[in-house]
Amino acid sequence: ETGVTQSPTHLIKTRGQQVTLRCSSQSGHNTVSWYQQALGQGPQFIFQYYREEENGRGNFPPRFSGLQFPNYSSELNVNALELDDSALYLCASSLEGSGRNTEAFFGQGTRLTVV
Amino acid sequence: LAKTTQPISMDSYEGQEVNITCSHNNIATNDYITWYQQFPSQGPRFIIQGYKTKVTNEVASLFIPADRKSSTLSLPRVSLSDTAVYYCLVGGKGGSQGNLIFGKGTKLSVKP
Repeated sequence: ETGVTQSPTHLIKTRGQQVTLRCSSQSGHNTVSWYQQALGQGPQFIFQYYREEENGRGNFPPRFSGLQFPNYSSELNVNALELDDSALYLCASSLEGSGRNTEAFFGQGTRLTVV
Repeated sequence: LAKTTQPISMDSYEGQEVNITCSHNNIATNDYITWYQQFPSQGPRFIIQGYKTKVTNEVASLFIPADRKSSTLSLPRVSLSDTAVYYCLVGGKGGSQGNLIFGKGTKLSVKP
């Protein structure tokens, strides 16, 4: 158990719909990062939130957006879903800005299927 | 962030030592080397991190030569439960790991 929880665990959506995925970060962590992992591939960085501000973004279109709340939990929103958005979405929390090494703790992921 | 190259797959038997080598020729001065383990349908799990020489913890050792252009993850006496994908990553600002660049990893299969 990493202390990072994601909901829902599985989700099926129709092409064109919108989806919101949620992540509760580990206690004491202030940074949340989101990753997309297609079958057989390594996780791909979507974006990171640090103290409620976006703090880096990967090569994903604007229809992928996010939020971080004062308690450091986070949401990933995807609009206009496409079939290729089907993947495991991973959330990772870490402590940043502390001047020391921090490891990232991943949740179990949300399996999104777009049909 | 430095690109990494590691074998796509490796096979081993229970009780053997497994060494997975990763190349990172363009590693920067401030980069750390980190290894993660991932089981199917689960999030990656941190194994070990190092900057230079050797680091050891309760599950693995990490060997880093002086030029830091490669690193080797050593898993002593593997068991069937060590079958997983292992990712080598370099980067992180001052060792932080919020923005991780994953490659395809090494799929380790441990046989009885």
